[in-house]
Amino acid sequence: AAGVIQSPRHLIKEKRETATLKCYPIPRHDTVYWYQQGPGQDPQFLISFYEKMQSDKGSIPDRFSAQQFSDYHSELNMSSLELGDSALYFCASSRPGLAYEQYFGPGTRLTVT
Amino acid sequence: DQQVKQNSPSLSVQEGRISILNCDYTNSMFDYFLWYKKYPAEGPTFLISISSIKDKNEDGRFTVFLNKSAKHLSLHIVPSQPGDSAVYFCAVTSGSRLTFGEGTQLTVNP
Repeated sequence: AAGVIQSPRHLIKEKRETATLKCYPIPRHDTVYWYQQGPGQDPQFLISFYEKMQSDKGSIPDRFSAQQFSDYHSELNMSSLELGDSALYFCASSRPGLAYEQYFGPGTRLTVT
Repeated sequence: DQQVKQNSPSLSVQEGRISILNCDYTNSMFDYFLWYKKYPAEGPTFLISISSIKDKNEDGRFTVFLNKSAKHLSLHIVPSQPGDSAVYFCAVTSGSRLTFGEGTQLTVNP
């Protein structure tokens, strides 16, 4: 079965650089979610999109922005990177009407040096 | 303010026995309660969910129990298998976002 695809899987950036993370949801899933998991922590909700519109916003820094495109893929743009942004970034998607069942991608490990 | 707490960071059981993972929450307004399993270098995998209007949901070897009066959620795995060894997160949802507990590392010994 098709799963959520995230790219790249690993990314190394320097402080103050920018990064773009991509997410391709499971086909026919209409909602995309972004989570951040720091070392030894549980995943923290950042932002979600339903039908290309932002549907919810969590603890996402102002330096980050995201959008969902017409083909339902989503991108998380991160600027002025800080050391503390080093984390695993997960994308998840859900089917219409079943927002509580979220299916996660393998994650992008971002390392800021 | 941790809304979802898993007080046991680790649990070790023998293959074939029951694994019981526990989770406590603070807000009685949550809609759904879920369990996810996570292997290293992979994203969380959805296991099972339960609506706030139910007290039990079963799917194969996995059963989730919800005690609303105690604000307590548990996951039973019977029989446990070595392949079940992973970090288990409970999660709650109000609206569309998930809020996770800290996770419990389950180790099933052959």
